[in-house]
Amino acid sequence: ETGVTQSPTHLIKTRGQQVTLRCSSQSGHNTVSWYQQALGQGPQFIFQYYREEENGRGNFPPRFSGLQFPNYSSELNVNALELDDSALYLCASSLGSGGVSGANVLTFGAGSRLTVL
Amino acid sequence: AQSVTQPDIHITVSEGASLELRCNYSYGATPYLFWYVQSPGQGLQLLLKYFSGDTLVQGIKGFEAEFKRSQSSFNLRKPSVHWSDAAEYFCAVGAPGANNLFFGTGTRLTVIP
Repeated sequence: ETGVTQSPTHLIKTRGQQVTLRCSSQSGHNTVSWYQQALGQGPQFIFQYYREEENGRGNFPPRFSGLQFPNYSSELNVNALELDDSALYLCASSLGSGGVSGANVLTFGAGSRLTVL
Repeated sequence: AQSVTQPDIHITVSEGASLELRCNYSYGATPYLFWYVQSPGQGLQLLLKYFSGDTLVQGIKGFEAEFKRSQSSFNLRKPSVHWSDAAEYFCAVGAPGANNLFFGTGTRLTVIP
């Protein structure tokens, strides 16, 4: 089975620009979560998508938005980039109803490293 | 609110020595607990998880962790460390039925020959 793949792996943007990050979930998984990992920190939950709907959101402003497609792949969009948005963005897929449970073990991709200048 | 504390930012051990990485959590009930490992340029890989039952959990790569409710801890152990274990280790907590995990700030493990 294929794991979680993310693209691009690295990108550089300038403040005020917009960025789209992409994620293909592991085969058979129907739930996608996005996490932001700033340098020297643990991952922080951005939001989760299940059945193409946002199914929970962390403490991130509305300029962070997402999509989930019928094939369960997902996009993370960030508008009006700020310097503090520089981070590793991790996508994780899982199987289940969207809740953390014995059936919902997260499988992470390698991440997209975003640098905002 | 849930939170995770990993008090050790960086630990150095000799190859073959035993290892214990500390994790303390804050949560009102019994949470779901996880340990993940992150190697440079890689995503997070699940080492082990605790949901209920036996408080000593076995994981991959020879790791184990023990859930101690009285101490709100979930420490990760390995009896003999290998050079390939050098990485960043993250403890995470999730509430049953919730849709997200809270991660600690990680412990970086260095293994010296």
